[in-house]
Amino acid sequence: DAKTTQPNSMESNEEEPVHLPCNHSTISGTDYIHWYRQLPSQGPEYVIHGLTSNVNNRMASLAIAEDRKSSTLILHRATLRDAAVYYCILMYNNNDMRFGAGTRLTVKP
Amino acid sequence: DTGVSQDPRHKITKRGQNVTFRCDPISEHNRLYWYRQTLGQGPEFLTYFQNEAQLEKSRLLSDRFSAERPKGSFSTLEIQRTEQGDSAMYLCASSLHGGGRGVEQYFGPGTRLTVT
Repeated sequence: DAKTTQPNSMESNEEEPVHLPCNHSTISGTDYIHWYRQLPSQGPEYVIHGLTSNVNNRMASLAIAEDRKSSTLILHRATLRDAAVYYCILMYNNNDMRFGAGTRLTVKP
Repeated sequence: DTGVSQDPRHKITKRGQNVTFRCDPISEHNRLYWYRQTLGQGPEFLTYFQNEAQLEKSRLLSDRFSAERPKGSFSTLEIQRTEQGDSAMYLCASSLHGGGRGVEQYFGPGTRLTVT
């Protein structure tokens, strides 16, 4: 299974941009890169996904390296409500997702 | 609220008892997934259905676990002869799958199981 590596934790100040990195050096050509986040006491929530090109949506941007071996989730202006665990996941066989431990993001006011 | 509901939200049971959880997905979604999450860890995949067919089961899903999705709508996850190690949050997710592209999964709030 292709695996991802993320820092255990990161801190950010409110209203500043946050760049959450993810390494996935064993990614296969058909694996999609998905990001989910999990707020305390809730189920995971979809954030964004991409294959090769950078992607933007109302929540975040996803920057994918040209060789696809790494990606970065960008929150343009962090708010206190963005404090969560962020998971970088490779969509395995376009079916189930294999979550790692994720990055715990703390946002300081 | 994602539109995926789970019942019950909390369940406390004694070791050796059987428990059953229910998940109601978003109505037009053809795929339904079950995950298990223990404290401090990410969710672990257990199994998934496409319509009523169970297409994949994780090695984590021992013989004591069984899941069904009759008529391709709601799903149930049953754990027989519960053990303390079964204590976890059980998450359900659904998605509308098709076209070979990566699709987002919508998660329910989970059922927290405590085995005493």
